[in-house]
Amino acid sequence: DAKTTQPTSMDCAEGRAANLPCNHSTISGNEYVYWYRQIHSQGPQYIIHGLKNNETNEMASLIITEDRKSSTLILPHATLRDTAVYYCIVRVATSGTYKYIFGTGTRLKVLA
Amino acid sequence: SAVISQKPSRDICQRGTSLTIQCQVDSQVTMMFWYRQQPGQSLTLIATANQGSEATYESGFVIDKFPISRPNLTFSTLTVSNMSPEDSSIYLCSAKAQGDTEAFFGQGTRLTVV
Repeated sequence: DAKTTQPTSMDCAEGRAANLPCNHSTISGNEYVYWYRQIHSQGPQYIIHGLKNNETNEMASLIITEDRKSSTLILPHATLRDTAVYYCIVRVATSGTYKYIFGTGTRLKVLA
Repeated sequence: SAVISQKPSRDICQRGTSLTIQCQVDSQVTMMFWYRQQPGQSLTLIATANQGSEATYESGFVIDKFPISRPNLTFSTLTVSNMSPEDSSIYLCSAKAQGDTEAFFGQGTRLTVV
C-alpha cells in the first residue's frame, strides 16, 4: 500500500495561508489523495481529495505535482478554528473495495 | 453525507473482559471500516466490515481478537476481546455510501483498560 509522509508539526499566523505538504512517492496511477483533519477528541473530517488535477472547494485547495509524488493542502486564510491534526491519505482500491490509509499527520497550530 | 453514531462513547473495562462497540449509520452504505487510534498516534485500519460475510482484516489484526459483524447496510459491531491495557485506544467507525467520494467517521469510542 502507498504510504504518505508529512511534517510532524507546523505553525501558521491567523489570516495567512497554511501550506501543508505531503509526500506519496509510491502512489499508483489509480490511487486518490485525500485530506482529512481531526480536531481534538473528534472523528476525522473530510476536507478535499484529488487524483491528478488541482482541486478547490469551500474549505481548501489541493495542489498535486505532475508526477503525483507529492501534494500540498492550502488553507487560504487560516483561523484559530483550523488548529487541528491534518492527515494526508491515499485511497487504495483492493478486491472490489477501497481502503483509506492514513499518514502520520501534521499538527497545525494557528497563532493569533 | 452519512451521520455515524457510535456506542458507547467511552468505557473503562477490566483486563480479560470483552467490549462490543456499535456503529449505526443513518443511511445505507456500501463500505464500513474500523480503525484504532492509539494515544497520540494516527489512525490504523483494523478491518473492512463486509455485509453478509467475514470482515477483511489488515496485517497485525486477527478475527479472534477483534471479531466484527455487519448484519445489514447500516450497522456494524467491533468486539475487543480479552482486553489488556495495550488495547486502550480510541476505536473509530467509518462508512462510505455508493454515491459519495469520501468516507465519513463517527466520533469514536474511547476505551481504557485497567
